Amino acid sequence: KQEVTQIPAALSVPEGENLVLNCSFTDSAIYNLQWFRQDPGKGLTSLLLIQSSQREQTSGRLNASLDKSSGRSTLYIAASQPGDSATYLCAVRDDYKLSFGAGTTVTVRA
Amino acid sequence: DVKVTQSSRYLVKRTGEKVFLECVQDMDHENMFWYRQDPGLGLRLIYFSYDVKMKEKGDIPEGYSVSREKKERFSLILESASTNQTSMYLCASSLGARPSDTQYFGPGTRLTVL
Repeated sequence: KQEVTQIPAALSVPEGENLVLNCSFTDSAIYNLQWFRQDPGKGLTSLLLIQSSQREQTSGRLNASLDKSSGRSTLYIAASQPGDSATYLCAVRDDYKLSFGAGTTVTVRA
Repeated sequence: DVKVTQSSRYLVKRTGEKVFLECVQDMDHENMFWYRQDPGLGLRLIYFSYDVKMKEKGDIPEGYSVSREKKERFSLILESASTNQTSMYLCASSLGARPSDTQYFGPGTRLTVL
């Protein structure tokens, strides 16, 4: 059974600092890995999707890397802003199913 | 833009009631999913459907059933609601099963069973 772990569980940084969020998974036979953002009481918004054949994806200030062999992904958010405060969830897909980590809750202090 | 809508944002029901949660997507997606999200446990898959009238059990199907009579609509049914089914319920859809296919989520329904 796929196990997904996110470290740290919570992170607080001053505005402008770069954010590094980590995700690890136990079974490397994955179709893809997705990073999601969730605001309090809301649904999930997809940020980046990395297919198993890819090493990284970028969108604006966000960059996600994937190392399938070691079972790790990292989400980098450059020059953080208070609007980046949210919970970030990592999910790996095998076949149809997504397995989620518990998330990292980020607070960016103005 | 893909839009996934859920019938209610907040719902309060009594123990033993039959509860229907509705999800509709407007992008002709093949696959639809129901998750529940609980503090400390994260998101867990209840059921999914890869075609009309097709369904597969997820990790925690006990106490739930689903219905997909039309491609755009996927319903989650609690036959006899219990207090341990108090949770946030999230619906999602995806175009297909390719590695490039993203899951898109609805806003969630917070269900309280008293």
